[in-house]
Amino acid sequence: GGIITQTPKFLIGQEGQKLTLKCQQNFNHDTMYWYRQDSGKGLRLIYYSITENDLQKGDLSEGYDASREKKSSFSLTVTSAQKNEMAVFLCASSTRDSQDTQYFGPGTRLLVL
Amino acid sequence: QQQVRQSPQSLTVWEGETAILNCSYEDSTFNYFPWYQQFPGEGPALLISIRSVSDKKEDGRFTIFFNKREKKLSLHITDSQPGDSATYFCAARASNYQLIWGSGTKLIIKP
Repeated sequence: GGIITQTPKFLIGQEGQKLTLKCQQNFNHDTMYWYRQDSGKGLRLIYYSITENDLQKGDLSEGYDASREKKSSFSLTVTSAQKNEMAVFLCASSTRDSQDTQYFGPGTRLLVL
Repeated sequence: QQQVRQSPQSLTVWEGETAILNCSYEDSTFNYFPWYQQFPGEGPALLISIRSVSDKKEDGRFTIFFNKREKKLSLHITDSQPGDSATYFCAARASNYQLIWGSGTKLIIKP
């Protein structure tokens, strides 16, 4: 077994602020993902990293940067928070050979005032 | 083209009844369909999945029925329990191996 830890659990930011969300996994998985979940909508992929030195844009990458510091950690930066933005950011990981099965963290809840 | 649709948006059934959650897609190249279950305050967790070569997948009280010709699938939860109350996401694997997610069905089981 393993676990995915996301920090912080809650994040309140100001408009225009740069905000960083962190994710750690101890599954020893190669592949990691960042998704955004808005109320009433499905998950949308922001960035993913197939292996330690890889970084790929998802459909929602504009406005975000990501960094895969090492195999176990993957960070997401909101480059300029938008006023009244409210969403949950989910980190996930999988093996490289079985990307179909993704394991998720509990999420970081973002509110921008 | 790359869309996954789910219905209904929310569903309430009585304990012991069968809940039926629907999913449809447009891209005929999708060949793997996982269903994820999400409880409030948690991330989604894989519940059950099916590959397009099969028309049915069963795991205990959870069964996926898949109709490739109509590009539809459904998740049946028999003998529903209050602990099954959650949001259920249907997803599909695209040709670039990314998962395309539906918007979810919020299921409430009344005791």
